[in-house]
Amino acid sequence: EAQVTQNPRYLITVTGKKLTVTCSQNMNHEYMSWYRQDPGLGLRQIYYSMNVEVTDKGDVPEGYKVSRKEKRNFPLILESPSPNQTSLYFCASTPSGGGRGTQYFGPGTRLLVL
Amino acid sequence: KNEVEQSPQNLTAQEGEFITINCSYSVGISALHWLQQHPGGGIVSLFMLSSGKKKHGRLIATINIQEKHSSLHITASHPRDSAVYICAVHTYSNSGYALNFGKGTSLLVTP
Repeated sequence: EAQVTQNPRYLITVTGKKLTVTCSQNMNHEYMSWYRQDPGLGLRQIYYSMNVEVTDKGDVPEGYKVSRKEKRNFPLILESPSPNQTSLYFCASTPSGGGRGTQYFGPGTRLLVL
Repeated sequence: KNEVEQSPQNLTAQEGEFITINCSYSVGISALHWLQQHPGGGIVSLFMLSSGKKKHGRLIATINIQEKHSSLHITASHPRDSAVYICAVHTYSNSGYALNFGKGTSLLVTP
């Protein structure tokens, strides 16, 4: 089944404890991206990747890192999480490197930073 | 950054009604998406448009590039259409295609 998977789905952590949220797609898509969703602010793009080893900042990259070493995986790294990073996170992929195609979203990761 | 405005913010309709959700954006785009998010959080892509009109079942999406405006219509609405509908636009810059979102329209269809 074609899908985007994220792990973990739920995470409670403490300020400063490094964490990684994994994202994987099995559709051989070139473009992958990370978003956060907050009440009243909607979805905002954190980082995106147009292909392996090609990443760029979205609207809210501060406090996050990403890497794209393989086409299928695009992990989101929070080196030193803070409470303002408490949010619902979505990973998505799309076939074209430019990102214009249909967006396929993962199920979301709900993060609480204490 | 491309500013994306959706209206209305909230919408309640009775089953069977015709529904329209609007989306306006500030800068020329390469494509526009309509997304649906059900309670529980999952997001599904409904349409991607760069011109004209698309139809899928009871859903119709239109876009007017000159006016920087798109509409999502739902005909013969049903309670299962209750969800948040999100407009998103792709804008091309030197670093590639960024995606900017509206804040969503929360739709409740009552029986």
